[in-house]
Amino acid sequence: EDQVTQSPEALRLQEGESSSLNCSYTVSGLRGLFWYRQDPGKGPEFLFTLYSAGEEKEKERLKATLTKKESFLHITAPKPEDSATYLCAVHASYNFNKFYFGSGTKLNVKP
Amino acid sequence: NAGVMQNPRHLVRRRGQEARLRCSPMKGHSHVYWYRQLPEEGLKFMVYLQKENIIDESGMPKERFSAEFPKEGPSILRIQQVVRGDSAAYFCASSPPTGFEDNEQFFGPGTRLTVL
Repeated sequence: EDQVTQSPEALRLQEGESSSLNCSYTVSGLRGLFWYRQDPGKGPEFLFTLYSAGEEKEKERLKATLTKKESFLHITAPKPEDSATYLCAVHASYNFNKFYFGSGTKLNVKP
Repeated sequence: NAGVMQNPRHLVRRRGQEARLRCSPMKGHSHVYWYRQLPEEGLKFMVYLQKENIIDESGMPKERFSAEFPKEGPSILRIQQVVRGDSAAYFCASSPPTGFEDNEQFFGPGTRLTVL
């Protein structure tokens, strides 16, 4: 069965303390891996799409990377406003109707 | 430049009543997805629709739940005879009708259903 696992479940950082979030997947035939940010009480906000191993994308303090089995979301010098839940989703080539979501990493950045 | 719109944002129903959740996709998007999210959990796929067609409803409970996306108007997720276990946030997402490189899904703000 397809699995998307995110770790850690929760992460507390001090402002400026860089770290990485992990998304591992067992989907065979990846068509795309997506990162979203979700604030409490709101819908997920699209961040990145990655399509092939070795690909990297950056946006402000965030950088997403992809290997054949996992993706990392690197957060450099985070600020309190980066506090949110970060969700990872995968899109499989054999079932392009579905996105499989992980449970998310809840990030809390303390000033 | 409106995004995905959902209404109502909050819905309270008593057990046995019907809940109707509406979703208007982004302009130019013809693919709609519905997800359910329980507290502290990820999003669970329910159904994928295109205009007038249900493409994949494999995530929908077999009973009481139905979805439609008519030629005109919003997509509707309908839950009949609601039970307390239906309490959750329901999110709608839309994507454009192009190749898979453009298949990012854009989410609405969600409808929070509370069943008393």
